[in-house]
This record gives sequence, structure tokens and C-alpha cells, in this order.
Amino acid sequence: KAGVTQTPRYLIKTRGQQVTLSCSPISGHRSVSWYQQTPGQGLQFLFEYFSETQRNKGNFPGRFSGRQFSNSRSEMNVSTLELGDSALYLCASSFGAGGPGETQYFGPGTRLLVL
Amino acid sequence: GNSVTQMEGPVTLSEEAFLTINCTYTATGYPSLFWYVQYPGEGLQLLLKATKADDKGSNKGFEATYRKETTSFHLEKGSVQVSDSAVYFCARYGGSQGNLIFGKGTKLSVKP
Repeated sequence: KAGVTQTPRYLIKTRGQQVTLSCSPISGHRSVSWYQQTPGQGLQFLFEYFSETQRNKGNFPGRFSGRQFSNSRSEMNVSTLELGDSALYLCASSFGAGGPGETQYFGPGTRLLVL
Repeated sequence: GNSVTQMEGPVTLSEEAFLTINCTYTATGYPSLFWYVQYPGEGLQLLLKATKADDKGSNKGFEATYRKETTSFHLEKGSVQVSDSAVYFCARYGGSQGNLIFGKGTKLSVKP
């Protein structure tokens, strides 16, 4: 079974631009979560989608948004990029209905550099 | 607050040495606990997990026991290998679906 895939793997943008990242979950998984990983703040939860609905959201500004499609693929968008948005963005998928012990499976991440 | 604290790295060990990476958590109740590993240039892989108090998770020679008395979930391995060199993250269920709260990570380097 193929794992979680993320595209693109690397991106370079300039301040003020916007960016869209894509995530394809493991086949059969309906939940997709997004995380931001930086050296200073570590791994932080952005949001989670299940059946095309955002169920949970972390403490990030409204510039960070996402969506999920009927095939469970998800995209996240960051508008008006700031230097501090430079990070590794990780996507994780799970079945979505298994409760607190459910395992999340992570993709390789998209590394975003904002200049 | 609700957080996960793990020992600061980096940790450097010789091959076949014993490994302990400490992890403690604060939370309301007894959340599920996880250890993830991140190899260079890759995403996170689940190493092991425990979903209730006194559970022991184990995988690839690594073990961790859910201790509610000490709110801890320390990672141990009896004999590390060079291939274990990676960053290890302790995490707990964040209280809402799809939300994990991670520690800062501990970088392990194993020398031959």
C-alpha cells in the first residue's frame, strides 16, 4: 500500500506570495492532519480534515487554510507569506474514526523557504 | 498546561550502548502516548505507542511504558545501532481528533 505523498517536496517563495501544498493520504484513510515543523517551535498542529470538513484547528492565523476533496486528498494554502512561515510542512493521514489511540501516518513533508 | 517535555539533545552513544530518552507529559486524564522517529530528510514514522496506563509499547528493540504515577513515557533500547541515529519525538493525543502534541525532539547519534 502506498504511503502518504506530499507535493511538491521543496518550494521557494518570496514574502507576500501565496502557496498551495498538496497531500494524498493512504488509500482508505479519510482523515488528514497538517503540521508545521520549525527549529524554534518544533511540531505544531495546524488543522485536521475528515470527509471534506475541518474538524479541528490549531492556533495559527487565518492566512493558513486548507480543504479536503471527496477522494480525501487535501491541500493547505498559506497566503501573504512571511519569513517566519519557512518550515517543513507535514501531512498525516489516519482512518479518522478510531479515537485517541489512532495512529497517524506521516508523509515526507514539503520544505518551504520564504525569502 | 498541556504539554510534552523530553530531554534535550543531542545524545551521542557508542554502538551497543543502552539508550534512555526521557519524556514526561501534562494532561487532563490519561491520553494516548506515542514515540515517533524522524530520519534525515524524511517524515515521521511511528515507533511505538501506548493507549492506557501501564501499557508497554515495543518495536524494533525499543520499549516505553506508560507510567501514570510519574506521567512519563521514557524510551529505552538495550543495544543501539548506528542505524538508530535519528531524531526521536515523544507525543500525546491532543484531545481532539487528528491533533498530536509533540515534544521538541531528541537527536540521537550512534558512533561505530
